[in-house]
Amino acid sequence: GDSVTQMEGPVTLSEEAFLTINCTYTATGYPSLFWYVQYPGEGLQLLLKATKADDKGSNKGFEATYRKETTSFHLEKGSVQVSDSAVYFCALREGNQGGKLIFGQGTELSVKP
Amino acid sequence: EAGVAQSPRYKIIEKRQSVAFWCNPISGHATLYWYQQILGQGPKLLIQFQNNGVVDDSQLPKDRFSAERLKGVDSTLKIQPAKLEDSAVYLCASSSHPSGRLETQYFGPGTRLLVL
Repeated sequence: GDSVTQMEGPVTLSEEAFLTINCTYTATGYPSLFWYVQYPGEGLQLLLKATKADDKGSNKGFEATYRKETTSFHLEKGSVQVSDSAVYFCALREGNQGGKLIFGQGTELSVKP
Repeated sequence: EAGVAQSPRYKIIEKRQSVAFWCNPISGHATLYWYQQILGQGPKLLIQFQNNGVVDDSQLPKDRFSAERLKGVDSTLKIQPAKLEDSAVYLCASSSHPSGRLETQYFGPGTRLLVL
């Protein structure tokens, strides 16, 4: 079945460092890809999404490009802030499977001042 | 626009007891989802409603879990009897259109359940 694999956390960075969180997926069709973020004590929030190959999703300085050839959707940010500390989830959604999201296990990011 | 509301936020029960969670989706959203998020894992879909009909409940443990969405708005998820392994965060999400690959799901804050 469809699945999502993320790099293991926790990831600890200093403020203004470059961030990459790896995400690869397995899917039978042509899924949409998402990054959700969960701040401490809060619910999941959509960070960005991409719906077809080579699309780039971006929001709040974060970017991810849908790479069909490598089945990847890595999250990047050029300069992280303490406020980016959260858990990040990569997810896919197949349109022919009722629209449910399939999540990776999450990657915890901790940014130190 | 108000977000997805859930209650209670926290619940502690003993095993074999029953518990219920409530979700109010964003106004006008036809599709409602319940996910279970066990500590250290990503959320997993339990059940999906389209209006008041069930679209997908393939991963719902039907011997102990039940859910309903009367009148196609609010939804209730029940566990009876609870087991230790049911300790998790239960997330409710909604989206405005029938299921589709482009549609965004909006999540509530979740209900954290601890079964002792």
